[in-house]
Amino acid sequence: KAGVTQTPRYLIKTRGQQVTLSCSPISGHRSVSWYQQTPGQGLQFLFEYFSETQRNKGNFPGRFSGRQFSNSRSEMNVSTLELGDSALYLCASSLRQNLQSNEQFFGPGTRLTVL
Amino acid sequence: EDKVVQSPLSLVVHEGDTVTLNCSYEVTNFRSLLWYKQEKKAPTFLFMLTSSGIEKKSGRLSSILDKKELFSILNITATQTGDSAIYLCAVRDNNDMRFGAGTRLTVKP
Repeated sequence: KAGVTQTPRYLIKTRGQQVTLSCSPISGHRSVSWYQQTPGQGLQFLFEYFSETQRNKGNFPGRFSGRQFSNSRSEMNVSTLELGDSALYLCASSLRQNLQSNEQFFGPGTRLTVL
Repeated sequence: EDKVVQSPLSLVVHEGDTVTLNCSYEVTNFRSLLWYKQEKKAPTFLFMLTSSGIEKKSGRLSSILDKKELFSILNITATQTGDSAIYLCAVRDNNDMRFGAGTRLTVKP
């Protein structure tokens, strides 16, 4: 069974631009969560989608948004990029919503660099 | 303010040693506590704990939660060099999820 895939793996953007990252969960998994990892802030939760609806949301500004499609694939969008948005963006999938799920699987991440 | 604190931040042991990693938290509306292992790449899920006093076990790793004292421990017995990693603890409330800074474990041969 294929694992969680994220595209692109690496991305370079400039300040003010916007970016869209994609995550395809493991087949059959309906929950996708997004995380940001930076050396300074560590790992931080962005949001979780389940059945095309955002179920949980971390403490990030409105520039960070996402959506989930009927096939459970998810996209994350960051608008008006700032230097501080440079990070590894990870997504993870699980069978059910994370509050009830007992296991989740991470993708390899997308490393975003904002110049 | 909600917070998750892990200790120690760093730990160096030799193969065969037993280690105990700590995670304490202050979170309103606690729902679950999770442990992850992160080597050079993405984290790997280890355990999710929701109930006090029930040990979760997977091979040489085990974890338990104390909801009264607001902490969890992760035990690794008979450590191996492959256990070298950063171990992350995270706590979920009704909406958000907060991670600790992690414990960097180094297991020397």
